[in-house]
Amino acid sequence: DVKVTQSSRYLVKRTGEKVFLECVQDMDHENMFWYRQDPGLGLRLIYFSYDVKMKEKGDIPEGYSVSREKKERFSLILESASTNQTSMYLCASSPNVFTNTGELFFGEGSRLTVL
Amino acid sequence: GEDVEQSLFLSVREGDSSVINCTYTDSSSTYLYWYKQEPGAGLQLLTYIFSNMDMKQDQRLTVLLNKKDKHLSLRIADTQTGDSAIYFCAERVNDYKLSFGAGTTVTVRA
Repeated sequence: DVKVTQSSRYLVKRTGEKVFLECVQDMDHENMFWYRQDPGLGLRLIYFSYDVKMKEKGDIPEGYSVSREKKERFSLILESASTNQTSMYLCASSPNVFTNTGELFFGEGSRLTVL
Repeated sequence: GEDVEQSLFLSVREGDSSVINCTYTDSSSTYLYWYKQEPGAGLQLLTYIFSNMDMKQDQRLTVLLNKKDKHLSLRIADTQTGDSAIYFCAERVNDYKLSFGAGTTVTVRA
């Protein structure tokens, strides 16, 4: 079974703290993505990566950075958390786009609350 | 541009059919998708349709695509309580990106 694992399901942090969200996939997928999900806004793409050490900005990259040192791991970093970053964060992966339908495989999400 | 729109809520009686509608704007989209999110879980692909198709059926699910109107719908026959979830419409915008709608929360009542 394909698996995308997000290490933390629930986190509570204080304003100004540095936050790491980790995601690991075991499907040898080239592409990995970080989305945030907010009610009424759906999923918005923060960053994605199509290869190790490669990263591309999505629609809402401000306040976030990412790291992909190994193919299976994609980390989302909030350098200085703010209350408007309280949200559900979803990691996803997909195989090389030229060989597939573009389907994304999602983790179960990390719900972050910033106080 | 890329903008996917869908209504936010749908309430349906158990055993009836549910129809969830979606409009998209990017006429060059090659694939369109329906994802399901159950409470506390991530998104799972329900079905997808290639842009040269008008209809796709998969057991209780029927997807209809009207390319002229850029309208996509998902019909769930014989809706069950386990179908209560948020349903997301998405379009493939480019090689890497999917654009998602806001999600339709489907509530199945007895």
